[in-house]
Parts: sequence; structure tokens; C-alpha cells
Amino acid sequence: DAGVIQSPRHEVTEMGQEVTLRCKPISGHDYLFWYRQTMMRGLELLIYFNNNVPIDDSGMPEDRFSAKMPNASFSTLKIQPSEPRDSAVYFCASSIHRDGGGRDGYTFGSGTRLTVV
Amino acid sequence: SQKIEQNSEALNIQEGKTATLTCNYTNYSPAYLQWYRQDPGRGPVFLLLIRENEKEKRKERLKVTFDTTLKQSLFHITASQPADSATYLCALGFSGGYNKLIFGAGTRLAVHP
Repeated sequence: DAGVIQSPRHEVTEMGQEVTLRCKPISGHDYLFWYRQTMMRGLELLIYFNNNVPIDDSGMPEDRFSAKMPNASFSTLKIQPSEPRDSAVYFCASSIHRDGGGRDGYTFGSGTRLTVV
Repeated sequence: SQKIEQNSEALNIQEGKTATLTCNYTNYSPAYLQWYRQDPGRGPVFLLLIRENEKEKRKERLKVTFDTTLKQSLFHITASQPADSATYLCALGFSGGYNKLIFGAGTRLAVHP
């Protein structure tokens, strides 16, 4: 398996523009997570899905952020409008087990580095 | 307030020595704890899981302990190598149907030849 695939790897956009980040989880993993990582706040969970259904979106910063999972092999995280404070690395992860991925943990993608200028 | 604390200062050790990283938490009751390794420009990679009823877990040169009384986990790398240089993150997990991990900020380890 190619692992969790995220695109793009880097994104530079102007403030006010819409940004869409994409994620393809590992086939057979029924949990998908979106995290954001910054130096100040570390890794923060934004939202997670189970079987394509959003379970917990309490980490989504505000209404400018939205996430969808239209099928088991694809998810998007959208920011509209983007702001400079959204600059961070956004990670997607997937897991097969309920309890933190069990003995296999989470599998993370390589991340999307977002810069909003 | 709830906190997960990992040493923010980088840990510098000499090759061949044992590296010990600490993860302390406050006002959480995790059912399990995980450790991840993160290299620059990459996503975290899962290393080990230890549950609340387990005191110690080993995997090759890695050893993790979990003390729910002290609210602390220790992560040891024995016979460290320069290739072990990375940031190590601890993550808390919970029972009750929640499949989400809360991560610490990580500790950067540098192993010098």
C-alpha cells in the first residue's frame, strides 16, 4: 500500500482565497483524521470520520473550516476564506482500529504545508 | 487545565548511550498511550502502544513505561544511534468509544557520533 496520500505537498495562497487540501487514506482503514501542526500549538485534532461520517469536529477552529468525506477513499479539508493565521502543516491520518489504531497506531500522510500571505 | 508536557528542550546524547524521554500529563485519564517518531518534513510514525494496565512494553531497542499514579510515561532508546535523531511525540488515547489521540508537543532528540 502507498500509505496515506496527501496533496498538495505545499500550498501558498493569498489571504481571502479558498484552499482545498486532499487526502486518500489507506484502503480498509475506516477512521480518518485531520490534524494541524504549528510550532506554537503542536499537533491539534481538527476533525475525525468513521466510515465516512464525521464523529467529532470540536477541533475545527471556526466556520471557515469544513471537511468532507464523500467516500471511503477520499477526504477534503477546505478553508474559505483563508487567513495568515491558518498557516501550518496539515496532516491527514487513518487507522483501522477504534482505540487509537490499536497495536498499529495511526498512519499519517506527509502533510500539506500551507502558507497564507 | 489539561496538559501534556514533554521536554521542550532538545535532548543531546552521545551515540551508544540510552536516551530517556519523558511525557507527563495533567487532568487526563488515558486508557492508553502511544509514542511516535517525526522526522523533518514528514508525518509522525507510530512506534509503540502501552495500555493503562501495562507497566512496560519493549520493542527492539525501545522501551516504554506507563505509570498512571505519577501520570507519566518514559520512553527509552538503548544503544542510541545518530539515525535515532528525530522528534518524539507522546499521545494519549481514551476509552468510551472515542478514537482520537491528544498529542504532546514532542521532544527533539539529537544523537551525536
